[in-house]
Amino acid sequence: ETGVTQTPRHLVMGMTNKKSLKCEQHLGHNAMYWYKQSAKKPLELMFVYNFKEQTENNSVPSRFSPECPNSSHLFLHLHTLQPEDSALYLCASSPERGRYEQYFGPGTRLTVT
Amino acid sequence: ILNVEQSPQSLHVQEGDSTNFTCSFPSSNFYALHWYRWETAKSPEALFVMTLNGDEKKKGRISATLNTKEGYSYLYIKGSQPEDSATYLCAFNAGNNRKLIWGLGTSLAVNP
Repeated sequence: ETGVTQTPRHLVMGMTNKKSLKCEQHLGHNAMYWYKQSAKKPLELMFVYNFKEQTENNSVPSRFSPECPNSSHLFLHLHTLQPEDSALYLCASSPERGRYEQYFGPGTRLTVT
Repeated sequence: ILNVEQSPQSLHVQEGDSTNFTCSFPSSNFYALHWYRWETAKSPEALFVMTLNGDEKKKGRISATLNTKEGYSYLYIKGSQPEDSATYLCAFNAGNNRKLIWGLGTSLAVNP
């Protein structure tokens, strides 16, 4: 396996469900990111983890709960979401040094019904 | 408020045409400017990271220039091919941190 992988690729959930998105990177990077991409909006940074520590929380509602057990894995736990949370959720990673070039996964298309 | 603007929003060209897009960003506190290419149903892919005023980068038929003093970058594609069809995103680093501010992208469609 190479690069950044995300599972599942598609997810439909009700507003009362609890689900988790998973991201895994095989690049030896130390930083990982969650982004939200909604129609007609720029990529919106949600969380940044560096060496497993959260360094950025971009005022994300508490119904999104990230978890980074190690530098290779990142989760986004979802509960009591709203229909407006329907979007493409992208994971990325970047090396410790350099200009923070980010490597992206293919995303999870989330639909909240 | 930091804002990144990209123009045009979308572009349709014929195979073989050359084209260019613009990315405008704040000229203060510049650290780096990134260009990404995002094909439908695939992952965004980094094209260039540019840091120096006057910098010019090239990858095959794609090149980019950077003007940090006036806050813009151009992306050029020479002899467009259908496989160049994608959304081209630029993103700006303000300061030495990991937070990228993204533009909305330019959607390019190359007709065979």
